[in-house]
Amino acid sequence: SQQGEEDPQALSIQEGENATMNCSYKTSINNLQWYRQNSGRGLVHLILIRSNEREKHSGRLRVTLDTSKKSSSLLITASRAADTASYFCATDTGRRALTFGSGTRLQVQP
Amino acid sequence: DGGITQSPKYLFRKEGQNVTLSCEQNLNHDAMYWYRQDPGQGLRLIYYSQIVNDFQKGDIAEGYSVSREKKESFPLTVTSAQKNPTAFYLCASSAETGSNEKLFFGSGTQLSVL
Repeated sequence: SQQGEEDPQALSIQEGENATMNCSYKTSINNLQWYRQNSGRGLVHLILIRSNEREKHSGRLRVTLDTSKKSSSLLITASRAADTASYFCATDTGRRALTFGSGTRLQVQP
Repeated sequence: DGGITQSPKYLFRKEGQNVTLSCEQNLNHDAMYWYRQDPGQGLRLIYYSQIVNDFQKGDIAEGYSVSREKKESFPLTVTSAQKNPTAFYLCASSAETGSNEKLFFGSGTQLSVL
């Protein structure tokens, strides 16, 4: 079963707007990671946030983690058409391999 | 150029046929993984390997087999027992498993049934 579930499943915004994606998970984690996938390609790692961190920034990305609610959010500020992709959260429980959510498809209109 | 190479990019399987997907990495990573992705879905773990000559089943291992004879290589065989093999297959690697490591992915193989 999927450990993480993203919300919304799809998001369409205009260039320059901010995009927010949410991820909920079920069990305790060591860290949570966000990945990006362009259509028909492999995934690319964006950012990792550890269980003892609450917020992390990387360029136009901001990730928050609330372990009490078992949820995380990814904010992309000042979005660009090139940000169009699917975004996945993945949880690391320290047991074997990352467990991925179902993803959010982001469409940024120029 | 360091990274993970998957081949072929597209693969077609006939009824009753076994097919093998190649995955090679030159990142000197110990751990390697195979995930399956169905359209509009997330990734599901098929098999993973933490070290040479060792591998473990993931969530959907039935109908698949792997080997890990070399550190750089982790081929996946889709056997005739896998009745619904059409999917996008992704190989990944990391320096270790279960230790806050990020995954590096190949560009995927799209497998279709003729």
